[in-house]
Amino acid sequence: GAVVSQHPSWVICKSGTSVKIECRSLDFQATTMFWYRQFPKQSLMLMATSNEGSKATYEQGVEKDKFLINHASLTLSTLTVTSAHPEDSSFYICSARQGGRNTEAFFGQGTRLTVV
Amino acid sequence: EDQVTQSPEALRLQEGESSSLNCSYTVSGLRGLFWYRQDPGKGPEFLFTLYSAGEEKEKERLKATLTKKESFLHITAPKPEDSATYLCAVQASEGSARQLTFGSGTQLTVLP
Repeated sequence: GAVVSQHPSWVICKSGTSVKIECRSLDFQATTMFWYRQFPKQSLMLMATSNEGSKATYEQGVEKDKFLINHASLTLSTLTVTSAHPEDSSFYICSARQGGRNTEAFFGQGTRLTVV
Repeated sequence: EDQVTQSPEALRLQEGESSSLNCSYTVSGLRGLFWYRQDPGKGPEFLFTLYSAGEEKEKERLKATLTKKESFLHITAPKPEDSATYLCAVQASEGSARQLTFGSGTQLTVLP
């Protein structure tokens, strides 16, 4: 299957600082990327859908000014958690889809964010 | 609203003890149903896509089946390395995005 690389795999930051998470499709061009958040022992919650060259579409209840998404190329999307607070601590996962008839979404390894 | 319900929430099996995981769904037109495996602290790993009722797919000890209302993931003679959380997700053929709606998962533990 296709490879999606997410970096970093874990990060610890202080309250009030910003953290950037990168998601790269390594062997295919991803017209659409998705960002999820996952709490312990819970399923994935979609935060936003990112389309290359256009603004991201955020799910209800997700603050777009706090979770900045940039999809500047067909192989890279970034999620920036701005002014992080302890309640932002979570597991963040990106996924990417090639488009066309291929509907499978492939996931990155996830990023464990801890805000202290 | 699309909904996905997985059962059981947790399942403990002895090595070699076959069983099935259930994924019930309601969706406004099914584009695809997906099974993923997720290990602790990792992102989901793609297993199968099923597109229409009656379709079956196999991979090693796993077989996924699909009806109009549910999907089963059959595990034959499981091994300890099959221990993971198995996630089911659906993609609707209609509506806004092409995002996936996930179930809450079944945490499978296979004891040696």
